[in-house]
Amino acid sequence: KQEVTQIPAALSVPEGENLVLNCSFTDSAIYNLQWFRQDPGKGLTSLLLIQSSQREQTSGRLNASLDKSSGRSTLYIAASQPGDSATYLCAVFQGAQKLVFGQGTRLTINP
Amino acid sequence: DVKVTQSSRYLVKRTGEKVFLECVQDMDHENMFWYRQDPGLGLRLIYFSYDVKMKEKGDIPEGYSVSREKKERFSLILESASTNQTSMYLCASSLWSSNTEAFFGQGTRLTVV
Repeated sequence: KQEVTQIPAALSVPEGENLVLNCSFTDSAIYNLQWFRQDPGKGLTSLLLIQSSQREQTSGRLNASLDKSSGRSTLYIAASQPGDSATYLCAVFQGAQKLVFGQGTRLTINP
Repeated sequence: DVKVTQSSRYLVKRTGEKVFLECVQDMDHENMFWYRQDPGLGLRLIYFSYDVKMKEKGDIPEGYSVSREKKERFSLILESASTNQTSMYLCASSLWSSNTEAFFGQGTRLTVV
């Protein structure tokens, strides 16, 4: 059974720092990996999708990497801002229909 | 812009009521999902559907049913609401493809009193 783990569970950093969020999964036979952002009381917003044949994706200040063989993905946030404060969720597609989520990392950026 | 729309942001229902949560997507996606999200438990899959009138149980289907009469619409039904079904409910859709990507609605915060 696929298990997705995100470390750390919570992170608080001062504004302007670069930071890395970690995601690990136990079964490397995945289709894709997707990173989401969730603000309190809201739905999930897709940040980045990494297809299984790719090693990384970039969008603005965000960069996500994928190493299927080791079962790991990282989300790198450059020059963090208070508006980046949210919960970040990692999810893997186990087949085209089954999406397995990690528990998330709650990120706080302090002005 | 891709869109998954849930019919309500907030709902308050009484114990024993039949509750309908509606979700509509405009992307012609085959797959649609219902999750619930609770503190400390993360997102748990209730049901998903891969085609009209087709459905599969997820990890926690007890106390729920679903309906998909049209491709764009996926309904979650609480047959007799109970207080332990108070939760955030999230709908999602995706293509049936190796390049699949999931899109989520804004969530429905359901309180059963």
